[in-house]
Amino acid sequence: GAGVSQTPSNKVTEKGKYVELRCDPISGHTALYWYRQSLGQGPEFLIYFQGTGAADDSGLPNDRFFAVRPEGSVSTLKIQRTERGDSAMYLCASSYGLAGVSDTQYFGPGTRLTVL
Amino acid sequence: AQSVAQPEDQVNVAEGNPLTVKCTYSVSGNPYLFWYVQYPNRGLQFLLKYITGDNLVKGSYGFEAEFNKSQTSFHLKKPSALVSDSALYFCAVSPNSGNTPLVFGKGTRLSVIA
Repeated sequence: GAGVSQTPSNKVTEKGKYVELRCDPISGHTALYWYRQSLGQGPEFLIYFQGTGAADDSGLPNDRFFAVRPEGSVSTLKIQRTERGDSAMYLCASSYGLAGVSDTQYFGPGTRLTVL
Repeated sequence: AQSVAQPEDQVNVAEGNPLTVKCTYSVSGNPYLFWYVQYPNRGLQFLLKYITGDNLVKGSYGFEAEFNKSQTSFHLKKPSALVSDSALYFCAVSPNSGNTPLVFGKGTRLSVIA
């Protein structure tokens, strides 16, 4: 079966530009997570969706970052006015989202964002 | 707030020898604990998890982990290492309170030498 997919796999942009990163979760998974992984670090949480709504966006670093999941499936992470410090691997994960259970999150291959 | 510590940046082991990658955690309440592996330029691949029950958890590719509540540890082990096990390993925790984001350690690079 298909796993989590993310596009593009690599994105190079210039400082100040706008970027969109896409995540397509495993079919049937209602929970979707975005993480950011800087070089030499573990993934850090950005935002979590349950269905179409953002259940927890406490990890977004500032208001330049925004994410949507309008139909409860595909999600897009949007970054405005990119800065060099935004350069990282952006990881998406999905899970069944079962209530009261911390079920397994399955990760996509990531999008490597480089801001020049 | 929950946290995970992986005290070793790098672990080197000879092929065929047992390996251990260490992880300790801090969380309110009972934890859910996970191990993931990351190969170069790839996403994270799930290895195993502890939810409740038997303290020894068996996972993919011959890996296992032992949950120790008194020591707040969840060390990853394998009886006989393979060169192909060389990768970056992450321990993660979430509180036992439903679907919540994972908190990861900084990772341990395992190098298995032939």
